[in-house]
Amino acid sequence: GAGVSQSPSNKVTEKGKDVELRCDPISGHTALYWYRQRLGQGLEFLIYFQGNSAPDKSGLPSDRFSAERTGESVSTLTIQRTQQEDSAVYLCASRAGLNTGELFFGEGSRLTVL
Amino acid sequence: GQQLNQSPQSMFIQEGEDVSMNCTSSSIFNTWLWYKQDPGEGPVLLIALYKAGELTSNGRLTAQFGITRKDSFLNISASIPSDVGIYFCAGHGGSNYKLTFGKGTLLTVNP
Repeated sequence: GAGVSQSPSNKVTEKGKDVELRCDPISGHTALYWYRQRLGQGLEFLIYFQGNSAPDKSGLPSDRFSAERTGESVSTLTIQRTQQEDSAVYLCASRAGLNTGELFFGEGSRLTVL
Repeated sequence: GQQLNQSPQSMFIQEGEDVSMNCTSSSIFNTWLWYKQDPGEGPVLLIALYKAGELTSNGRLTAQFGITRKDSFLNISASIPSDVGIYFCAGHGGSNYKLTFGKGTLLTVNP
């Protein structure tokens, strides 16, 4: 597609439930990032995928968080047993090449945990 | 890890005024970038800077890559209401894929 697409745009869930967020990057972009943005805060790095290389999971806040990506296609971020502190906007971004910092962001998935 | 100090944290200005914000780092970067985030949207790239000392303009926006490679500023001239949003600086180390973001500057423009 023309841009990075994320779904759902809004998700309200009950504490303890699992949620899955989806990101469809720009076609041909090899790199994909997930960030978390709490209300009024900056961007918190979660995980990075580059082609078929092992992902950098160093930003995942706990083992309740996991993400997958097959090749250079869609990625899913899964949060198990959601907690209220997981409430945030989850942003996905893709990048064309290794040596550029030019990320293209989706509009984000707003997660609210009640 | 690398950290970026972005200031000011927020700004309230009148339409027509000029705006300046900056970022400093304890580490050097090969690329500095400035993004803008509108409410309910993802950040959008405004300007990318690739060389120390580089001064780049994009319409009413001007950004500079500091000579030391540890800082950058963004100026907005003759602000308008649609300039409202959060502005983020970001530094990129080159071959390293890591992109470090500042905490953002929230800009409010009063018409």
